[in-house]
Amino acid sequence: GAGVSQTPSNKVTEKGKYVELRCDPISGHTALYWYRQSLGQGPEFLIYFQGTGAADDSGLPNDRFFAVRPEGSVSTLKIQRTERGDSAVYLCASSLLGMTGELFFGEGSRLTVL
Amino acid sequence: SQQGEEDPQALSIQEGENATMNCSYKTSINNLQWYRQNSGRGLVHLILIRSNEREKHSGRLRVTLDTSKKSSSLLITASRAADTASYFCATDALKNTGNQFYFGTGTSLTVIP
Repeated sequence: GAGVSQTPSNKVTEKGKYVELRCDPISGHTALYWYRQSLGQGPEFLIYFQGTGAADDSGLPNDRFFAVRPEGSVSTLKIQRTERGDSAVYLCASSLLGMTGELFFGEGSRLTVL
Repeated sequence: SQQGEEDPQALSIQEGENATMNCSYKTSINNLQWYRQNSGRGLVHLILIRSNEREKHSGRLRVTLDTSKKSSSLLITASRAADTASYFCATDALKNTGNQFYFGTGTSLTVIP
């Protein structure tokens, strides 16, 4: 596609459930980032992929969060045993040049945990 | 954790006036970028300035970088109502674990027609 696509755009789930959020980056972009944004805050870094591997996952808050990018394109952010504090907008971004280039963001997936 | 901090947190100006936002960061960087976010939308890249640059222009945008003070400013000249958005600075962190972009807390700009 022309831009970064994220699905679903909205997800409402119950506490304790498992959630998957998908990101389809711009074709050819090798770098992919996941961020989490709470209301009124800036994006908080979660994880960065260069190709298929997670180059830096130091931003993942705990072991309930996991992300994969098996073929170096689409990525899935997985959240187990969701908690109310996980409610936020999850943003995905891709970049052609990684750290030295601009990030192209998707519209985000809004997660609400009841 | 977020490295950058923007100030002011909120800014309200009349259309046609200039808007200045500041960003301070904590560690050494390669590049600093500014992004814009309309309410409920993703972020859009505005401009990138490298650590060896002091000033950069793009249309009505002017960015300065002072690495000795670890600060940057974004100036929007002749503001328009359509400039109403949140503005974030993003810095890359030089870490041996890889590459990250850290975003600040943002400045919410309102341009009154």
